[in-house]
Amino acid sequence: AQSVAQPEDQVNVAEGNPLTVKCTYSVSGNPYLFWYVQYPNRGLQFLLKYITGDNLVKGSYGFEAEFNKSQTSFHLKKPSALVSDSALYFCAVRDGGSARQLTFGSGTQLTVLP
Amino acid sequence: NAGVTQTPKFRILKIGQSMTLQCAQDMNHNYMYWYRQDPGMGLKLIYYSVGAGITDKGEVPNGYNVSRSTTEDFPLRLELAAPSQTSVYFCASNRPGTSGIPTDTQYFGPGTRLTVL
Repeated sequence: AQSVAQPEDQVNVAEGNPLTVKCTYSVSGNPYLFWYVQYPNRGLQFLLKYITGDNLVKGSYGFEAEFNKSQTSFHLKKPSALVSDSALYFCAVRDGGSARQLTFGSGTQLTVLP
Repeated sequence: NAGVTQTPKFRILKIGQSMTLQCAQDMNHNYMYWYRQDPGMGLKLIYYSVGAGITDKGEVPNGYNVSRSTTEDFPLRLELAAPSQTSVYFCASNRPGTSGIPTDTQYFGPGTRLTVL
């Protein structure tokens, strides 16, 4: 069975500093990886995905993620954090099923301090 | 487009009561999903549907039922509410790509916060 792990429940970073939210995965075949963001009292929003190709994936709101096959990681990054980036971030892996079900990590709360 | 809508936003149930969580999407998406979100646990898939009349169990289906009579609606039914079902429930949808296989971007509703006492 596939799984994702987000080792940090909470990440704090100062505004303007770079941020990293960590994710590691375990799959039996090719990994299909995603990042979603959840703002308070809202549903999840898609940020970016890795299916194949370049290891550095660019997404919405200036976020990017680096796929590292040897370390089975897919860390989310942003060069300069904004206070408005404060939210709950989920890493996910796609199921091999035909309906494209997702398996989510436990989430990381990002707080950007002014 | 309204996207994915869910009602109600909040609900408190007593043990043993039943209720239906409503989910609708106006994007003509074939694929729909129900997740529950527990603190520190991420999202778990309850049921999913690949089209009208077709549903299947996800990771945590016990205590729930679904139906999909139309493309737009995907209600989730709790027959005998239990405290373990206290959670936030999210509905999501996904559209087929050009080859008919679903894309990888799920669209989520705002959620229903359910408390069972």
